Amino acid sequence: AQTVTQSQPEMSVQEAETVTLSCTYDTSESDYYLFWYKQPPSRQMILVIRQEAYKQQNATENRFSVNFQKAAKSFSLKISDSQLGDAAMYFCVYGQNFVFGPGTRLSVLP
Amino acid sequence: NAGVMQNPRHLVRRRGQEARLRCSPMKGHSHVYWYRQLPEEGLKFMVYLQKENIIDESGMPKERFSAEFPKEGPSILRIQQVVRGDSAAYFCASSPKASGGFADTQYFGPGTRLTVL
Repeated sequence: AQTVTQSQPEMSVQEAETVTLSCTYDTSESDYYLFWYKQPPSRQMILVIRQEAYKQQNATENRFSVNFQKAAKSFSLKISDSQLGDAAMYFCVYGQNFVFGPGTRLSVLP
Repeated sequence: NAGVMQNPRHLVRRRGQEARLRCSPMKGHSHVYWYRQLPEEGLKFMVYLQKENIIDESGMPKERFSAEFPKEGPSILRIQQVVRGDSAAYFCASSPKASGGFADTQYFGPGTRLTVL
């Protein structure tokens, strides 16, 4: 069965700085999707970014980008110019069967 | 285009009662997924449905839990004879299409928080 590991239960970043959240996963599949979702205090689950495994180019969405290393099965999320509204739980998700990682709680310090 | 809708947002039940959670997918989406989230944990998959069909219920407890997605109306997650351990947030998601392993992007509703007294 696929597993997703997020080794950082909590992270903090200063406003306007950059932070990287790590994620590793285990799979024997060659084609799949990976996602990062954020869950703010409202508990609404919000899609941050999506990566298709067959694409070598790393996905970017405004201030959010990923470093996808397929051979290493690593999928980290970089948040640039952090804003107070970025404070949330961030979940790395393996797209086949939507397996969630345990989450990283990100705090943004003013 | 309205997002995924869930109701009620909060539901309180006493032990032994039934809980019914409703989910209306986004317009044009015919695939619905239910997840459970315990405090400080990620979401755990429960069941994947298409209209009138259960595609994958590998995450559903074998007893007391059932789900349906009728031809008309919302998807329903039903929990019979609730126990305190059922207290959790239940999220519904929908997607426009899915291949094996439901790889497509899922859009989540706001969740229903179930409290069992």
